[in-house]
Amino acid sequence: GAGVSQSPRYKVAKRGQDVALRCDPISGHVSLFWYQQALGQGPEFLTYFQNEAQLDKSGLPSDRFFAERPEGSVSTLKIQRTQQEDSAVYLCASSPRVQGYGNQPQHFGDGTRLSIL
Amino acid sequence: SQQGEEDPQALSIQEGENATMNCSYKTSINNLQWYRQNSGRGLVHLILIRSNEREKHSGRLRVTLDTSKESSSLLITASRAADTASYFCATFNQGGKLIFGQGTELSVKP
Repeated sequence: GAGVSQSPRYKVAKRGQDVALRCDPISGHVSLFWYQQALGQGPEFLTYFQNEAQLDKSGLPSDRFFAERPEGSVSTLKIQRTQQEDSAVYLCASSPRVQGYGNQPQHFGDGTRLSIL
Repeated sequence: SQQGEEDPQALSIQEGENATMNCSYKTSINNLQWYRQNSGRGLVHLILIRSNEREKHSGRLRVTLDTSKESSSLLITASRAADTASYFCATFNQGGKLIFGQGTELSVKP
């Protein structure tokens, strides 16, 4: 389809394991965002890419979180040594232009629901 | 942390009634956006209102913005069961990020 695609949709991991979450943005979209959404809350910003450059990672909660977008299209969010508090829905969004051009909507994927046991 | 506060947290109405949701924020903004999220799905953009606009319409949606009170409202007229979802406001400021509120959970009963 033409929308943002995320995989897997559900991920269960044991505490201490590493996980990798994938995002396929809309083709040609310059900006890519990752958000973390706790149950019953709104999404919280994690990081932003403009093409392959990670311009803002101020929302990453710890150095266990790492994101990349090496060719400016697909992005991966990696969480090392997972903890129970990492359990959440991780949402990816893309938009066609650079972030500074703020008058544009973001297009969201359906997210990955991560459960840490 | 989230900057938006939404009111009410939950709203239950009958089909055909109007639904009003309010959002307050605490910073200067370039624009404010409203999104809908169906259970288990991603967010869908509904409408964007710029900081120099006071009111905007899109189909059955009406959004107002009062920058002096740092608040916005979303009105859904003639609601349908398919409008059942969570609704979030999000502000875009000079920091360049979208900051979401906690959301209003709307239930429209047939």
